[in-house]
Amino acid sequence: GESVGLHLPTLSVQEGDNSIINCAYSNSASDYFIWYKQESGKGPQFIIDIRSNMDKRQGQRVTVLLNKTVKHLSLQIAATQPGDSAVYFCADREMIKAAGNKLTFGGGTRVLVKP
Amino acid sequence: EAQVTQNPRYLITVTGKKLTVTCSQNMNHEYMSWYRQDPGLGLRQIYYSMNVEVTDKGDVPEGYKVSRKEKRNFPLILESPSPNQTSLYFCASSPIRHSPYGYTFGSGTRLTVV
Repeated sequence: GESVGLHLPTLSVQEGDNSIINCAYSNSASDYFIWYKQESGKGPQFIIDIRSNMDKRQGQRVTVLLNKTVKHLSLQIAATQPGDSAVYFCADREMIKAAGNKLTFGGGTRVLVKP
Repeated sequence: EAQVTQNPRYLITVTGKKLTVTCSQNMNHEYMSWYRQDPGLGLRQIYYSMNVEVTDKGDVPEGYKVSRKEKRNFPLILESPSPNQTSLYFCASSPIRHSPYGYTFGSGTRLTVV
């Protein structure tokens, strides 16, 4: 598959441990924050989102935390598995009346799960 | 199966030779968008479309054109490709209103301009 980024920050995690991926954003007008997972050779795939008026949301094995005070977003993956190895992107969404949903993506973090 | 389909997956071309990358979605989404992905720069929006015959520039539109004659199709056109357009391209679609699933992305097109 294609390499999506040769200079990405990388998080190495032991299989079964928890992973925490961090992201900073700058747009105060964003109403949703979204995490995407991108496996080699594939397009980004939606994982979970959180509305701007929330500070925590849980999914299956994933939790997203939002701290609007410091404009910080994090994704926690519980009991990381080999299939979690991928590049993870955060994105913030702003609903612009004339432009629809505008997503602005972060640079991505590569997660490597060690057996 | 709900999906966004891009073609081709891989393309090598020469400088100046016009090319088109096709994108089609089967979800009746109003909103479609093109992104390019480069190492260290993440995903950057090239063009987007709110609906048929409604398109507008994203953050990096120079050297690209798009059209939206039908709701399902949103081709990306490079009239005169240059080496700095070598990149990984993604098409995405979503409903206009917030979707709980964000955008749906295609599998990508790896373009190399020599």
